[in-house]
Amino acid sequence: GAVVSQHPSRVICKSGTSVKIECRSLDFQATTMFWYRQFPKQSLMLMATSNEGSKATYEQGVEKDKFLINHASLTLSTLTVTSAHPEDSSFYICSGGGDSETQYFGPGTRLLVL
Amino acid sequence: AQSVTQPDIHITVSEGASLELRCNYSYGATPYLFWYVQSPGQGLQLLLKYFSGDTLVQGIKGFEAEFKRSQSSFNLRKPSVHWSDAAEYFCAVAPGGGGFKTIFGAGTRLFVKA
Repeated sequence: GAVVSQHPSRVICKSGTSVKIECRSLDFQATTMFWYRQFPKQSLMLMATSNEGSKATYEQGVEKDKFLINHASLTLSTLTVTSAHPEDSSFYICSGGGDSETQYFGPGTRLLVL
Repeated sequence: AQSVTQPDIHITVSEGASLELRCNYSYGATPYLFWYVQSPGQGLQLLLKYFSGDTLVQGIKGFEAEFKRSQSSFNLRKPSVHWSDAAEYFCAVAPGGGGFKTIFGAGTRLFVKA
């Protein structure tokens, strides 16, 4: 299957700082990527749909000014958590599928905000 | 609205015993259906998927799932569980076609006892 990578795999930051998470499709082009958040012992919740060359679409309740998404190329989407706070600590997972019928998920990025 | 229900938060089975994890979905049409497995702190691994055709789907690691339209169910089964199968299992749905967002169930944690 196709491969999606995320970087970094884990990050610890101070409250108030911004953190950027990269999601790359390594062997396919992804016109659309998705960002999910997973709190401990909970399911994945869709945060936003990242569209190459256009603005992201955010799910209800997700602050677009706090979670900045950029999809500048067909193989890279970035999620920037601005002014991170402890409640933003979570496991962030991206996925991409391009024109395929299956989404391929990245390994996730664990964010800890102190 | 689309939804996925996994009625069992956690299940404990003995090693070598059979396993069935339940999944029910609510959707306007027949969606694409998936089962994923997630080990602690890890990303998602696709076990199997159903798009159309034979309603009994074979996946990796000896897993299979059966799509029952009349019951809106897509239960996951394995005839003999191994200790390494202990993990979190997520049922998911997506609209037909490529590149669309996936909706996840709450997950079922599988414990395997010796």
